[in-house]
Amino acid sequence: EAGVVQSPRYKIIEKKQPVAFWCNPISGHNTLYWYRQNLGQGPELLIRYENEEAVDDSQLPKDRFSAERLKGVDSTLKIQPAELGDSAVYLCASRPRPKVNRANTGELFFGEGSRLTVL
Amino acid sequence: AQKITQTQPGMFVQEKEAVTLDCTYDTSDPSYGLFWYKQPSSGEMIFLIYQGSYDQQNATEGRYSLNFQKARKSANLVISASQLGDSAMYFCAMREPYQAGTALIFGKGTTLSVSS
Repeated sequence: EAGVVQSPRYKIIEKKQPVAFWCNPISGHNTLYWYRQNLGQGPELLIRYENEEAVDDSQLPKDRFSAERLKGVDSTLKIQPAELGDSAVYLCASRPRPKVNRANTGELFFGEGSRLTVL
Repeated sequence: AQKITQTQPGMFVQEKEAVTLDCTYDTSDPSYGLFWYKQPSSGEMIFLIYQGSYDQQNATEGRYSLNFQKARKSANLVISASQLGDSAMYFCAMREPYQAGTALIFGKGTTLSVSS
């Protein structure tokens, strides 16, 4: 089974430029998350999707960040314009629908992340 | 207030020795889940072990075990017989309340270095 796929793995841009990250979750996983991980810190949630609906975007800086998950599969996270403080690793994760009457640990499956450097 | 606290920025251990990585959490919800993830230098977060708040026994997965002390709100990860490949960043995380889809809240992590 293929894991969560993210691209690009690395991106270097100048401040004020736009950037976009793409995520393809594990097939059949209806919940998708975007996290941001600053250097030496733990991941912090930006947005969560249930199918194509953004159900938790309270931590997404909406003045410059946007995300979409068309058709409830792939997702794109965009930053426009990028600022120096946006330098971080952007992690995508997915989670399957919990199975009825079965133990569900509910762990998230992560991609390798997209490392953004803003100069 | 921090929900997940990992007080050890770095830990050092010799191969074949056991090591304990500390994690304390804060929640007022009786139903929650606790997770440990490993993040090697490649960047991917790898799920290690899970403990539910109602689980009676401490979770174990191979060389990993979780020392769950509910009254103290601690969920320490124990790695037995450390290997060089265990060198990585380790994150403790919590989901609250336990329901489908709720995101994980992560601690700041502990860097583990295993030497030969």
